[in-house]
Amino acid sequence: NAGVTQTPKFRVLKTGQSMTLLCAQDMNHEYMYWYRQDPGMGLRLIHYSVGEGTTAKGEVPDGYNVSRLKKQNFLLGLESAAPSQTSVYFCASSYRGKETQYFGPGTRLLVL
Amino acid sequence: RKEVEQDPGPFNVPEGATVAFNCTYSNSASQSFFWYRQDCRKEPKLLMSVYSSGNEDGRFTAQLNRASQYISLLIRDSKLSDSATYLCVVNDFNQFYFGTGTSLTVIP
Repeated sequence: NAGVTQTPKFRVLKTGQSMTLLCAQDMNHEYMYWYRQDPGMGLRLIHYSVGEGTTAKGEVPDGYNVSRLKKQNFLLGLESAAPSQTSVYFCASSYRGKETQYFGPGTRLLVL
Repeated sequence: RKEVEQDPGPFNVPEGATVAFNCTYSNSASQSFFWYRQDCRKEPKLLMSVYSSGNEDGRFTAQLNRASQYISLLIRDSKLSDSATYLCVVNDFNQFYFGTGTSLTVIP
């Protein structure tokens, strides 16, 4: 099993550009999450999904959109990137909402 | 007020030392509790879940005090490989809340 994978690993964007981050899991987990991690801030939840076709807002959803069309995939979109979105983005999944989360290796995003 | 608060450290301890980390959480209805470990530029990985009765995994002991809304992690006989950032994590319904992490460096 690959666990949780993320693509791309690193990306540089210019302000105003758009991009999509892909998260995939092969553990048949129901719940999937997108976090961002910034120095001194810890991990903050952007959006999450409790099952295929569902999404919900987390702590810092502004400027991001998500989709969960297939159970194994969770996409995070930035429609118009801003320098404040420079961060490390982690995807995670869990079998059910209260149980251990498994994280992907992260995507480092730099917005110039 | 943050959902989860941790002392950021850093903690610099010699090999073989015992070190303790503490964490407090704000929501008394929180349902599950964890310690994660994060190495530099890597993803967080589960170290251990924390149960109300306390639990131990080798050199690691976790305690939960629901009345005080306090979680602790004790590491005995520290190894160089224990150097990392330790994240306190609390689950409220469908969401997980992370502390900012406590940095540990074990010195030879």
